Amino acid sequence: GESVGLHLPTLSVQEGDNSIINCAYSNSASDYFIWYKQESGKGPQFIIDIRSNMDKRQGQRVTVLLNKTVKHLSLQIAATQPGDSAVYFCAGTDMEYGNKLVFGAGTILRVKS
Amino acid sequence: GAVVSQHPSRVICKSGTSVKIECRSLDFQATTMFWYRQFPKQSLMLMATSNEGSKATYEQGVEKDKFLINHASLTLSTLTVTSAHPEDSSFYICSARPLARQETQYFGPGTRLLVL
Repeated sequence: GESVGLHLPTLSVQEGDNSIINCAYSNSASDYFIWYKQESGKGPQFIIDIRSNMDKRQGQRVTVLLNKTVKHLSLQIAATQPGDSAVYFCAGTDMEYGNKLVFGAGTILRVKS
Repeated sequence: GAVVSQHPSRVICKSGTSVKIECRSLDFQATTMFWYRQFPKQSLMLMATSNEGSKATYEQGVEKDKFLINHASLTLSTLTVTSAHPEDSSFYICSARPLARQETQYFGPGTRLLVL
């Protein structure tokens, strides 16, 4: 079945460093991906999205890279701050699956001051 | 923009009672809303898709008579956990898909349910 998963369950970075969170997906038909940030006790917060016809998209301090050949995407956070500490989920969807989101397992990002 | 609210934020109830959770899209319309369940330190699991004006579609293994969903308007969906038991204790999160962006979902803040 379709699955979206993560390589690293926990990532610790020093404040000010860049963070890279990785995600692998199995459904080659997935055509849209979203990264969410979830703080403790809260709902997921939309960070950035990317369509399958793109390989890179930049936002404010964040960049998402998509490699369709190896079915891998990553989230890069520049100059990581303590407020970035959270769980990050990638999610993918495809039209044939009714645009339902399939979530990865999540990566805990810990920022050390 | 794209704000989704949930009410209540947390609820404690006795075993056997029913609990209703509301999900509202505050500044956009959504023909489709989704209900997820999340256990501690785990990812979100889709329970059902709520469609305005029609019956909800449930994921495999989710009892439709246990988790009643009503999508009465373009901005409101409700999830009722009927005859709740301790194993129903969880974090329930809804999301709403805007009419203008069919592939995106915006999430509510979640509802923590504790069944004693």
